[in-house]
Amino acid sequence: DAGVTQSPTHLIKTRGQQVTLRCSPKSGHDTVSWYQQALGQGPQFIFQYYEEEERQRGNFPDRFSGHQFPNYSSELNVNALLLGDSALYLCASSLGPSGGKRTDTQYFGPGTRLTVL
Amino acid sequence: GEDVEQSLFLSVREGDSSVINCTYTDSSSTYLYWYKQEPGAGLQLLTYIFSNMDMKQDQRLTVLLNKKDKHLSLRIADTQTGDSAIYFCAESSVSNDYKLSFGAGTTVTVRA
Repeated sequence: DAGVTQSPTHLIKTRGQQVTLRCSPKSGHDTVSWYQQALGQGPQFIFQYYEEEERQRGNFPDRFSGHQFPNYSSELNVNALLLGDSALYLCASSLGPSGGKRTDTQYFGPGTRLTVL
Repeated sequence: GEDVEQSLFLSVREGDSSVINCTYTDSSSTYLYWYKQEPGAGLQLLTYIFSNMDMKQDQRLTVLLNKKDKHLSLRIADTQTGDSAIYFCAESSVSNDYKLSFGAGTTVTVRA
């Protein structure tokens, strides 16, 4: 049973650049959520994708955008990078209501460590 | 997450029980979770409890929920060195469409 996978593992960018992070959900899951975890803090919700649409969004600027593909995988894009965007970006997958029964338990991937210089 | 609070550090002797505490503010919380994070890794789901339950036991783990006081605890019996990690409490609710709100995490250090 394939778990949640994320790529790349590590990434170094400079201020002003753009970055794309990728996530493949756990087998059988159709909902993907993204979280930002700054050093020493708990994860903060960025947004959630289901049926290729953004269903819910946390308190993050429009520089953060995403996409979900028909195979349920997802991308997180961050434009105009700031030093404060340096963090561990976590993807979590769950099963939405499409299967008739909703299970909201979210399973996390290993994360992508983004460093902005 | 400001809606979920945890103590930051816990030191415990190997073989003893660990108790990690968490308080939350959202009275409509539906699910409450405990996740474990080891250095440089993602979050591992340990256990969760529905808000209509008081207790859940899963091998060495016992979760207690006091809904009146909005207090959640995780007890780890016979704590081992492999239990050293950061433990996050998280809650989700129907009103927030099940997005997870996390505490800042409790760093558990197991000493020999």
